Amino acid sequence: AQKVTQAQTEISVVEKEDVTLDCVYETRDTTYYLFWYKQPPSGELVFLIRRNSFDEQNEISGRYSWNFQKSTSSFNFTITASQVVDSAVYFCALKDSGAGSYQLTFGKGTKLSVIP
Amino acid sequence: GAGVSQTPSNKVTEKGKYVELRCDPISGHTALYWYRQSLGQGPEFLIYFQGTGAADDSGLPNDRFFAVRPEGSVSTLKIQRTERGDSAVYLCASSFIGSGELFFGEGSRLTVL
Repeated sequence: AQKVTQAQTEISVVEKEDVTLDCVYETRDTTYYLFWYKQPPSGELVFLIRRNSFDEQNEISGRYSWNFQKSTSSFNFTITASQVVDSAVYFCALKDSGAGSYQLTFGKGTKLSVIP
Repeated sequence: GAGVSQTPSNKVTEKGKYVELRCDPISGHTALYWYRQSLGQGPEFLIYFQGTGAADDSGLPNDRFFAVRPEGSVSTLKIQRTERGDSAVYLCASSFIGSGELFFGEGSRLTVL
């Protein structure tokens, strides 16, 4: 069975601080995808990134960066120089890459509050 | 708009009643998903449509839940004999087939009294 654990329920940081959101996953599949989604107060989940299990290169997109460590089954997300607009709930998710697999398994989310 | 549209945004009903929730996906997206999100939890998969057919309905909790997508576009999630435990936000998402990038709507918040 697949499982995604986001141990941090809530995090508060002061604007311009860096913050890392942790994600640990469990799967018996050898190939899979990992995702991060952002859910602002409006409720609409916004796709941030997809990572294939074959690709362990870290990725940077502006103030966002992701650290994928297959050896520790982690896919952590760092926001550099946080801004108030980053306040949201962030979800990590996992999906088997096999044919016929459509389900995303989400973690419980981490609520990030960025204080001005 | 160009995004996934869900109606109603809020629905309050009484236990035992029948409810329909509608999802209008992004034009051209043949894949459509329903998820359910309870307070403080991540979304949980309910059902996946590829075109008009349900390719995976393994997440539907019981036979009170049913979903259709008769013309391969708009989908309706139907809940019979609603129970208080059905209260949640029901999220719809669409995508191109094979894409992991799902586009979500803002959800329909269902409250069963």
